[in-house]
Amino acid sequence: AAGVIQSPRHLIKEKRETATLKCYPIPRHDTVYWYQQGPGQDPQFLISFYEKMQSDKGSIPDRFSAQQFSDYHSELNMSSLELGDSALYFCASSRRTSLYEAFFGQGTRLTVV
Amino acid sequence: GENVEQHPSTLSVQEGDSAVIKCTYSDSASNYFPWYKQELGKGPQLIIDIRSNVGEKKDQRIAVTLNKTAKHFSLHITETQPEDSAVYFCAATPRGTMNRDDKIIFGKGTRLHILP
Repeated sequence: AAGVIQSPRHLIKEKRETATLKCYPIPRHDTVYWYQQGPGQDPQFLISFYEKMQSDKGSIPDRFSAQQFSDYHSELNMSSLELGDSALYFCASSRRTSLYEAFFGQGTRLTVV
Repeated sequence: GENVEQHPSTLSVQEGDSAVIKCTYSDSASNYFPWYKQELGKGPQLIIDIRSNVGEKKDQRIAVTLNKTAKHFSLHITETQPEDSAVYFCAATPRGTMNRDDKIIFGKGTRLHILP
């Protein structure tokens, strides 16, 4: 079965640079969630989209923005990167109207140096 | 907003024994409680879930129980095996209500070690 695809899997950026993370949800899933996970921590909710519109916002810095496109894939844009942004970034998808389950991708490991 | 507490943070059990992880939640609107298993360097994997209209659910060696009145839910793993070693997260969310605020809120995680 198709799963959530995230790219790239690993990314190294310097401070103050910009990064773009991509997420391709499971086919027919209309909702995308972005999470940030620091070492040894639980995933922290950043932002979600339903039918291409932002549906909820968590602890996402103003330096970050995201959107969901017409094909339901989503991109997380991170600017003015800081050392503290180094983390695993996960995307999850679900189908709001018919399924409860949310499935996660393998994540993007972002390292800011 | 929702707050999920998870205990213990670390759990070591002998191979073949049972493991129990407990969680509590705060928001009575939450009606869906998934459990995720995360192995090192991988994304959280949904292993079992329970909805608020059910008190217990079992899938082979894994079972979940829910006490909606007390806002408690638990994960039970029987006959533990080495491959069960991982971090387990409980979570809570209001699902299926067409409420856009249905983000999944995770507990802090339990690192489960299966001892040979």
